[in-house]
Amino acid sequence: DIQMTQSPSTLSASVGDRVTITCRTSQIISTWLAWYQQKPGKAPNLLIYKVSNLESGVPSRFSGSGSGTEFTLTISSLQPDDFATYYCQQYHSYPITFGQGTRLEIK
Amino acid sequence: EVQLVESGGGLVQPGGSLRLSCAVSGFTFSSYWMNWVRQAPGKGLEWVANIKQDGSEKSYVDSVKGRFTISRDNAKNSLYLQMNSLRDEDTAVYYCATYSPGYSSYWGQGTLVTVSS
Repeated sequence: DIQMTQSPSTLSASVGDRVTITCRTSQIISTWLAWYQQKPGKAPNLLIYKVSNLESGVPSRFSGSGSGTEFTLTISSLQPDDFATYYCQQYHSYPITFGQGTRLEIK
Repeated sequence: EVQLVESGGGLVQPGGSLRLSCAVSGFTFSSYWMNWVRQAPGKGLEWVANIKQDGSEKSYVDSVKGRFTISRDNAKNSLYLQMNSLRDEDTAVYYCATYSPGYSSYWGQGTLVTVSS
């Protein structure tokens, strides 16, 4: 199974900050990586697919990059609505696996 | 408007069974692979199973193989998850979601399954 390790697990930041979340995979997954945002009590919401492709309707302050086994999600200028938990997911091979999540909280 | 609505969750004793359903509308269901993903209370996301558009291919996470069965009825725009021999560790919110091609653009609101005596 491909292990997904996100860092940090918790991130404290302020509105307007630029933040980066990292996802490392135990094997090379080519570009088969997605990012999701989840708010308490809600279903996950797709932000980014295939490493760097922005899902329709997602604000352009979100961006993704990376290759091989290291990937990042960047939020260029945090907005109040962005405080949530973020997950990476690989779809290179079964079983599909998610990172453990990064909780982004208000400083 | 895209909608996925799960139902069938509830409280069940260990060893019991439940059948989850997911009714979809607003998109061409028969064109999408579909997923079940679960989330234990306070925990992260775990992929459970998926199924090809015509039902000819199915995959499962090891922890549910032999106990859970995913199926679909394209005529009814519905996805199902038959869960047998339920264990405490199956307690979670279960989400249905699209899986084409590999990531999930559309999700339901989830249905809670609680396995407890």
